[in-house]
Amino acid sequence: EAGVAQSPRYKIIEKRQSVAFWCNPISGHATLYWYQQILGQGPKLLIQFQNNGVVDDSQLPKDRFSAERLKGVDSTLKIQPAKLEDSAVYLCASSLGNTDTQYFGPGTRLTVL
Amino acid sequence: SQKIEQNSEALNIQEGKTATLTCNYTNYSPAYLQWYRQDPGRGPVFLLLIRENEKEKRKERLKVTFDTTLKQSLFHITASQPADSATYLCSALDSSYKLIFGSGTRLLVRP
Repeated sequence: EAGVAQSPRYKIIEKRQSVAFWCNPISGHATLYWYQQILGQGPKLLIQFQNNGVVDDSQLPKDRFSAERLKGVDSTLKIQPAKLEDSAVYLCASSLGNTDTQYFGPGTRLTVL
Repeated sequence: SQKIEQNSEALNIQEGKTATLTCNYTNYSPAYLQWYRQDPGRGPVFLLLIRENEKEKRKERLKVTFDTTLKQSLFHITASQPADSATYLCSALDSSYKLIFGSGTRLLVRP
């Protein structure tokens, strides 16, 4: 069974630029999550989708971050404009349901200069 | 606020010994706790889940305990191997069903 796929794996941008990350969850998983993991910390949930609807985006900085999950499968997370403090690893995860085991992708390491 | 706390200091042990990692939770009572392993450059990998009505759970060389009185979970790796070196994350669902993570404890097993 293929795991959660993410791209790109690494991205370096300057502050005030925009960036987008892509995630393809495990086939059949209805729930998709985006996490931000700052170095030395645990992952922090940014947004959770159930199929193509948003379940929780309470910790998403909506003035600069946006995410969508069209057709309830793939998802993109965008940052515009980026700030220095956005430097982190962005992890995508998926699960069958919202209380089931989450499976994580390898993450995208973002560096904002 | 609801928190998961783990010892931020790395644990450095000799191969063959038992590694014990601690996870404390505050300001709520999770129905279950989960433990994940994370290697550098990779996403977390689920290891074990223990429910509040279970005192102990085992999987091969791994053992997890859940003490609701102490508000603590202990994660043990017996007969540790250098390949067990990684960061171990404790997590639990908060009251709004969001998964919250501790900051993780880095384990280093010396050959």
